[in-house]
Amino acid sequence: QVQLQESGPGLVKPSETLSLTCAVSGGSISTSNWWNWVRQPPGKGLEWIGEIYHSGSTNYNPSLTSRFTISVDKSKNQFSLNVSSVTAADTAVYYCAREGSLNYYNSRGFDYWGQGALVTVSS
Amino acid sequence: AIQMTQSPSSLSASVGDRVTITCRASQDIRSDLGWYQQKPGKAPRLLIFAASRLESGVPSRFSGSGSGTDFTLTISSLQPEDFATYYCLQDRVYRSFGQGTRVEIK
Repeated sequence: QVQLQESGPGLVKPSETLSLTCAVSGGSISTSNWWNWVRQPPGKGLEWIGEIYHSGSTNYNPSLTSRFTISVDKSKNQFSLNVSSVTAADTAVYYCAREGSLNYYNSRGFDYWGQGALVTVSS
Repeated sequence: AIQMTQSPSSLSASVGDRVTITCRASQDIRSDLGWYQQKPGKAPRLLIFAASRLESGVPSRFSGSGSGTDFTLTISSLQPEDFATYYCLQDRVYRSFGQGTRVEIK
């Protein structure tokens, strides 16, 4: 059974960089799946941030600025999210999630999720 | 970017009711849509993928339909554990969520 676990500081100061890691267990990150970050501000809806493949290929939400960077470390079976120049608007629960694949072209949805990590941006 | 519009934003229903939630895409996304259930303080849970395919372990009272731009999630007989917020997610071009539908107890 695949499990995902987010980790990182719960409090980040404005203008600094938020860094989170998602550790994958119960399976390899080097499979035909995309690995995603999703966030949810308190009391609000879900927002897709971006995704990464084990090769290092990435896609990001075009509605977001270029402050977001996703990377992968296959040796540690984990992937990470960096958000630079954070403001209070970046306060949210951050989730990592695996996107399953039906085939090369079709998704079978975000089938595994981490429990979420609350990050608060405050001085 | 593809915009996903969910309706209603909230609804009140009783146990045993049939509940329908809709999601409309701003452009054709074929059948590249999933539905998720989220309870307070928990991660979302996949219910439906590819518009109409039931995820393993999800009760058969949940069903999905639609293609192109209009999609529906139906709960045939609402159970106490179904009170939650539901989201659609398109996976045709990048990814984008609907704004959510909160299902409350009447």
